[in-house]
Amino acid sequence: GAGVSQSPSNKVTEKGKDVELRCDPISGHTALYWYRQSLGQGLEFLIYFQGNSAPDKSGLPSDRFSAERTGGSVSTLTIQRTQQEDSAVYLCASSLVLLGNSPLHFGNGTRLTVT
Amino acid sequence: AQSVTQLDSQVPVFEEAPVELRCNYSSSVSVYLFWYVQYPNQGLQLLLKYLSGSTLVESINGFEAEFNKSQTSFHLRKPSVHISDTAEYFCAVSDREGAQKLVFGQGTRLTINP
Repeated sequence: GAGVSQSPSNKVTEKGKDVELRCDPISGHTALYWYRQSLGQGLEFLIYFQGNSAPDKSGLPSDRFSAERTGGSVSTLTIQRTQQEDSAVYLCASSLVLLGNSPLHFGNGTRLTVT
Repeated sequence: AQSVTQLDSQVPVFEEAPVELRCNYSSSVSVYLFWYVQYPNQGLQLLLKYLSGSTLVESINGFEAEFNKSQTSFHLRKPSVHISDTAEYFCAVSDREGAQKLVFGQGTRLTINP
């Protein structure tokens, strides 16, 4: 079946502009996660959803970052007034259930470049 | 809070040589442990996991990792590597209870030289 799909695959934007990153999880997966991968920084947890609810927003770097999930499926990560330090690969992952032992299935990411 | 330390950012080895990628974690609770792999131009995928039972776990492509509770380690090993093993490897930990997120290490880039 289809894996986790992210769009766009690449996004170049000017500093100060808003961007929206989209994630389509695997059908039937109730949990959805957003991570950020910066060069030499590993994977930084941003936020997770159980259904449409985001119980833990502690990983969002600033109030310029927000995310939502609708219909227990598609999720959008929005970055307002982008800054150069926001440049990174944004990864989305989904898992069947929200349990620590449930493997994550990752998309190929959106590479964001802020100029 | 949990944390994961991968002690080597890059590991170059020759083909058919053995390799060990080190991972140590810090947690105040019991954990699940994972290794994920990212091949060039591909997304992350699960390589192997420790949930419970035998502390030695294996992947289908010859990697193995051993959970050592006393040393809080989960090192990844392979006795003989192949060119196709070139990738970035990430160690990750999650709580058995409580925080429902996976915490990753910074990754180790494994480069296999012919």
